[in-house]
Amino acid sequence: QVQLVQSGAEVKKPGASVKVSCKASGYTFTNNAIHWVRQAPGQRLEWMGWINVGNGNTKYSQKFQGRVTIARDTSANTAYVELSGLTFEDTAVYYCARRLVRHFDYWGQGTLVTDSS
Amino acid sequence: QSALTQPASVSGSPGQSIAISCTGTSSDVGGYNYVSWYQQHPGKAPKLMIYEVSSRPSGVSNRFSGSKSGNTASLTISGLQAEDEADYYCSSYTNDITLDVVFGGGTKLTVL
Repeated sequence: QVQLVQSGAEVKKPGASVKVSCKASGYTFTNNAIHWVRQAPGQRLEWMGWINVGNGNTKYSQKFQGRVTIARDTSANTAYVELSGLTFEDTAVYYCARRLVRHFDYWGQGTLVTDSS
Repeated sequence: QSALTQPASVSGSPGQSIAISCTGTSSDVGGYNYVSWYQQHPGKAPKLMIYEVSSRPSGVSNRFSGSKSGNTASLTISGLQAEDEADYYCSSYTNDITLDVVFGGGTKLTVL
């Protein structure tokens, strides 16, 4: 069965960077794009960007351009999102999601990123 | 970031039907049949309930249905059950070059 398993919660200082991983199993990793979506406490889902796992091409939301990097390691069936220059406004649960056509059929369990201030 | 508009909350009694609207523009909801709906229980990841406006994934109850008219999509839940109480988010593909996907603000469904 398809599974996306994310890395554990992170506590970071303002200005630091955080890297969250998303390990895929149960399907051919290179066949589907992986998107990253975050959700601040009590807020809406917010799209951050995506990676074409097959060729590594990426696209980022303009809001995060310059601060976000999405990558993948096909040998490890794992995708990553790294966000730099963290502020308190980046406190959120970060989700990876598998794209099928134009919707997300499987999601990771979420990774909580909080600031230490 | 542009967003789709949903009512903040809806409620209904067990057995009743409710509908949740999702209003966008011709650049997203109105322009493409790529509207999807997600159910999210507290502390859990979103779960796909409807895709491509009205298609249901395997395993999702046929009490959930979707439709679209112009720039507004709707999710209808019939025969409300206690376990339907959750947040519901709509999503759409968008041709905004700064984005790829846009989400609604979410609707809290309360089963009375």
